Amino acid sequence: DQQVKQNSPSLSVQEGRISILNCDYTNSMFDYFLWYKKYPAEGPTFLISISSIKDKNEDGRFTVFLNKSAKHLSLHIVPSQPGDSAVYFCAASPNSGNTPLVFGKGTRLSVIA
Amino acid sequence: KAGVTQTPRYLIKTRGQQVTLSCSPISGHRSVSWYQQTPGQGLQFLFEYFSETQRNKGNFPGRFSGRQFSNSRSEMNVSTLELGDSALYLCASSLWGQGSTYEQYFGPGTRLTVT
Repeated sequence: DQQVKQNSPSLSVQEGRISILNCDYTNSMFDYFLWYKKYPAEGPTFLISISSIKDKNEDGRFTVFLNKSAKHLSLHIVPSQPGDSAVYFCAASPNSGNTPLVFGKGTRLSVIA
Repeated sequence: KAGVTQTPRYLIKTRGQQVTLSCSPISGHRSVSWYQQTPGQGLQFLFEYFSETQRNKGNFPGRFSGRQFSNSRSEMNVSTLELGDSALYLCASSLWGQGSTYEQYFGPGTRLTVT
């Protein structure tokens, strides 16, 4: 049973426009969420996170929104740049103890110049 | 500060053989986690080591094992390789462990191909 779902395997966006990547989760114990970006031949790199006490966290062009009632989060990239083309993974964890992060399967974002 | 390093970067093995992969975490990090990434499956958690002890284990068969040394370096071993073990194996380190606010830092991975 997949606890973290990224239902869109791929997404294409024009340069300068907004990219919206979505993530749904099923485990109500999850209260800390992270986004990682992965380029080919490299390991994932941490992008942005959000705790369940917030519904929005912003870092430059990247904003993560959390809707706890819908068990849904999204990553907005504005404006999108060709260098943003990568695979984006959503991950979730309960904020207690040392429980492993659960990752989604990823969404491949292509930003077209 | 040097990042997480993994060796080797690429490996080709034959079915039935065994393989050992190595991971050196960021200096000062005590937690090392291992993940398997296959096409369409995302990152699947294998195990986590903290201070030389396995603290968490994912849902993988006993052919997958690991260990951590006193300097926090970690190795994972896969015995009796199967074709389905072909994957990118990623190692990640963090200060104290997974979850909470302690983000993990990933290495570049070891690409294992089983023929």
